[in-house]
Amino acid sequence: DTAVSQTPKYLVTQMGNDKSIKCEQNLGHDTMYWYKQDSKKFLKIMFSYNNKELIINETVPNRFSPKSPDKAHLNLHINSLELGDSAVYFCASSHRGVNTEAFFGQGTRLTVV
Amino acid sequence: AQKITQTQPGMFVQEKEAVTLDCTYDTSDQSYGLFWYKQPSSGEMIFLIYQGSYDEQNATEGRYSLNFQKARKSANLVISASQLGDSAMYFCAMRESFTDKLIFGTGTRLQVFP
Repeated sequence: DTAVSQTPKYLVTQMGNDKSIKCEQNLGHDTMYWYKQDSKKFLKIMFSYNNKELIINETVPNRFSPKSPDKAHLNLHINSLELGDSAVYFCASSHRGVNTEAFFGQGTRLTVV
Repeated sequence: AQKITQTQPGMFVQEKEAVTLDCTYDTSDQSYGLFWYKQPSSGEMIFLIYQGSYDEQNATEGRYSLNFQKARKSANLVISASQLGDSAMYFCAMRESFTDKLIFGTGTRLQVFP
């Protein structure tokens, strides 16, 4: 059973389009994250939700809108896609607290053309 | 401010040798956790090892150990008896109790050669 699953794994789209990435976890975690990994492999946190409540919102363009319908799901919607949005997006989940590791989904490779 | 620094963009090690990947951190929080993740070329993020700020002993998990020096704010990963399958990107990460934010360093690419 997959612990953290993201769909789709690959996404190729044209500039200006709107797209969504879905994430689900079956670990019973109360915290979920979105990370962006750029071409240099740098992992930057974008958002964090705890019990469906947004708790971390880094400096991310407001074209990116996360939505958490319940504790097990955190989706990422991106409006008006730009070339610079091309990256790998990772969803992750964990229990709250410094002593718990985060579990990651397999990543979604987004390519904007 | 919370910060993680990995100064080695790339490292080479011969199979069966040990290798140390460096990580330093900065935080004003007294309670925090330090983590190492491996990212092979297939792209998934694999948790390796954890060290808590109040842990007095260095963490170990199989061939992985964490050399934790709190006063120097360093949390180096030691991989013993390297294997070809250890070739990957390695990320150091930290989570503070105050923000509960998990942030990552820039990573080190390890290549193991025969």
